[in-house]
Amino acid sequence: GAGVSQTPSNKVTEKGKYVELRCDPISGHTALYWYRQSLGQGPEFLIYFQGTGAADDSGLPNDRFFAVRPEGSVSTLKIQRTERGDSAVYLCASSLGGRAHTGELFFGEGSRLTVL
Amino acid sequence: AQSVTQPDIHITVSEGASLELRCNYSYGATPYLFWYVQSPGQGLQLLLKYFSGDTLVQGIKGFEAEFKRSQSSFNLRKPSVHWSDAAEYFCAVGEGNTGFQKLVFGTGTRLLVSP
Repeated sequence: GAGVSQTPSNKVTEKGKYVELRCDPISGHTALYWYRQSLGQGPEFLIYFQGTGAADDSGLPNDRFFAVRPEGSVSTLKIQRTERGDSAVYLCASSLGGRAHTGELFFGEGSRLTVL
Repeated sequence: AQSVTQPDIHITVSEGASLELRCNYSYGATPYLFWYVQSPGQGLQLLLKYFSGDTLVQGIKGFEAEFKRSQSSFNLRKPSVHWSDAAEYFCAVGEGNTGFQKLVFGTGTRLLVSP
């Protein structure tokens, strides 16, 4: 489809392992966002890209979390040395950027991460 | 820091009845305000937004919301609920410096629709 695509939809890993979550935004959307949604909570901002650069990474909880968007399209969220507290649904969203931004974010269905 | 409060965790409404979901925000200036809906197996979808101007805003699926500065509220309403409206609803405020790139969400209200 033409929406935001996230893979994997489900990831189970063991404590201490490394995880990568992928987001493929809507074609033509220059802005991309990562949010994290823990059980019973609303989404929590992690990082925002405009093009290839991280415009705001103030929501990343610590240096185990890192995200890249090398060609300004697909983005990967990387989590090192996973902890049980990292278990959550990781949401990706995209939007038009700059002056074209309408205020609407288009969200994917999320990647559910479970750390055992 | 900005915050959003949705005081109702769950609400049950009969099909055909009216609905109001409450949202209060904490922000010094005029905020960017949003309502998103999250249905099972689907991504969050924008219902409506308020940036400025008319304080009553219309959205998709027959929803509307009213911005009340004096009450710091942005309640979501629908005159007649359909069974397909059962979902989780999130109110959000956009941070002023970055506009709406960085949203602060409430904890959500789960709407159940009874026949």
